[in-house]
Amino acid sequence: DVKVTQSSRYLVKRTGEKVFLECVQDMDHENMFWYRQDPGLGLRLIYFSYDVKMKEKGDIPEGYSVSREKKERFSLILESASTNQTSMYLCASRQRAGVNTEAFFGQGTRLTVV
Amino acid sequence: LAKTTQPISMDSYEGQEVNITCSHNNIATNDYITWYQQFPSQGPRFIIQGYKTKVTNEVASLFIPADRKSSTLSLPRVSLSDTAVYYCLVGTGGGNKLTFGTGTQLKVEL
Repeated sequence: DVKVTQSSRYLVKRTGEKVFLECVQDMDHENMFWYRQDPGLGLRLIYFSYDVKMKEKGDIPEGYSVSREKKERFSLILESASTNQTSMYLCASRQRAGVNTEAFFGQGTRLTVV
Repeated sequence: LAKTTQPISMDSYEGQEVNITCSHNNIATNDYITWYQQFPSQGPRFIIQGYKTKVTNEVASLFIPADRKSSTLSLPRVSLSDTAVYYCLVGTGGGNKLTFGTGTQLKVEL
C-alpha cells in the first residue's frame, strides 16, 4: 500500500514564526502536492512538484514556499506564519500525471497560528 | 481542467440509493471523469474513474451519458459510514496540476 506521511497531525505556532510541514511518500511517486482545506472552500492547491527540485505554483501560493530536494519528501514552508494560515494542510502524491494515476493523501496537519 | 459544478450538500437515509450529479459542460475529448471521497479528518481517496457509459466497482457506479457533459456517481444502499464529501474532477491527467473543488457533502442518517 502507498503511504503518504505528514510529520504532525496537530501543530500550534506563533505569528511570525517560520513553519515547516513535512510530507514523505514511500512509492517513488513523481508528483507531490500541498493543499489547504477550509470550511466552505474545499481543497485549494498551494504548490505542486512534478520532479525533484521542480515546483509550480498552485492556485493560492502567496505566503508559502516549498522544497523538494529528494523524490520522497515535499516540504511546505510558511516563511512568517499569520493567523489567516490557520487551516488543515493536506499532502498528496501520485505516480505521474495520467488518467489512471490516482492521488494518495496523507492524514493532514491541522495548523493553528496564534 | 474542465470546470465542474456539483451540489453543495445532500441528505439521505440508510439503505437508500444516492445519486450525485456533476456538470462539466466544457469537457474535452480527452478528459476523464474521476471521483474522490473524503471522510471527516482524513485526506480524500480515489473511488472511481470513467470516460463514457458506465463504470462499476465495489464502492460505486459512475454513469456518463453520451454527450459527457455531466456524470452521476451512484452509491447503492448507503450507510452512516458513507457520510463524506464527494469530489468530481474532470481532466486528462496529462498535466501535472490536480485541482479539487468544494465537493458535495453527503450526510446519511438513520
